[in-house]
Amino acid sequence: QVQLQESGPGLVKPSQTLSLTCTVSGGSINSGDYYWSWIRQQPGKGLECIGYIYYNGGAYYNPSLKSRVTMSVDTSKNHFSLNLRSVTAADTAVYYCARRPGGYCYFDLWGRGTLVTVSP
Amino acid sequence: DIVMTQSPDSLAVSLGERATINCKSSQSVLYSSNNKNYLAWYQQKPGQPPKLLIYWASTRESGVPDRFSGSGSGADFALTISSLQAEDVAVYYCQQYFETPYTFGQGTKLEIK
Repeated sequence: QVQLQESGPGLVKPSQTLSLTCTVSGGSINSGDYYWSWIRQQPGKGLECIGYIYYNGGAYYNPSLKSRVTMSVDTSKNHFSLNLRSVTAADTAVYYCARRPGGYCYFDLWGRGTLVTVSP
Repeated sequence: DIVMTQSPDSLAVSLGERATINCKSSQSVLYSSNNKNYLAWYQQKPGQPPKLLIYWASTRESGVPDRFSGSGSGADFALTISSLQAEDVAVYYCQQYFETPYTFGQGTKLEIK
């Protein structure tokens, strides 16, 4: 069965770039049936959709983060990535990668999540 | 952005009893051309990612027990657990996917009384 796994540094300094990768196993990222998403959960808060990317590189970013976000996809490695620039303490959160069926915009499969702390 | 507001923030229900969580959107999430409500429900247990329970407001995801049901239309929705089990202790979120950015409710914490 398909599984998602986030990876990346758990600690990032303020003003630097947060970089995470989500590896897809048990299925192909370029099947065209899904969009690949990033969602975060700040401590004690709800869930925020950061954006999503298609296997061909087409992406949508939440306008609240758009100026600082870049997503990419590497079909040869079957993974997709998130870069969030100029981070502050407010970007401290658990970051989840998730799968969104093409044509539908709910999230039917999630990674376990990774905590990223922004601190000097 | 569409604001999703859940009520109550927390809820304690006895085992075997019914639990109902409400979700209100700041605008309708019903798409008139296909008569579908663009609303999903998720369950998040401690230390775990959210799990999709229901989409299109009332369609259960494969493998979800039938004690979970979704109802409502337009801007008012509910998630009902017909007979609460111990394993249902979790935080529940609604999410609208009517328009971007997709937004979630603040969550409702469900506990055993």
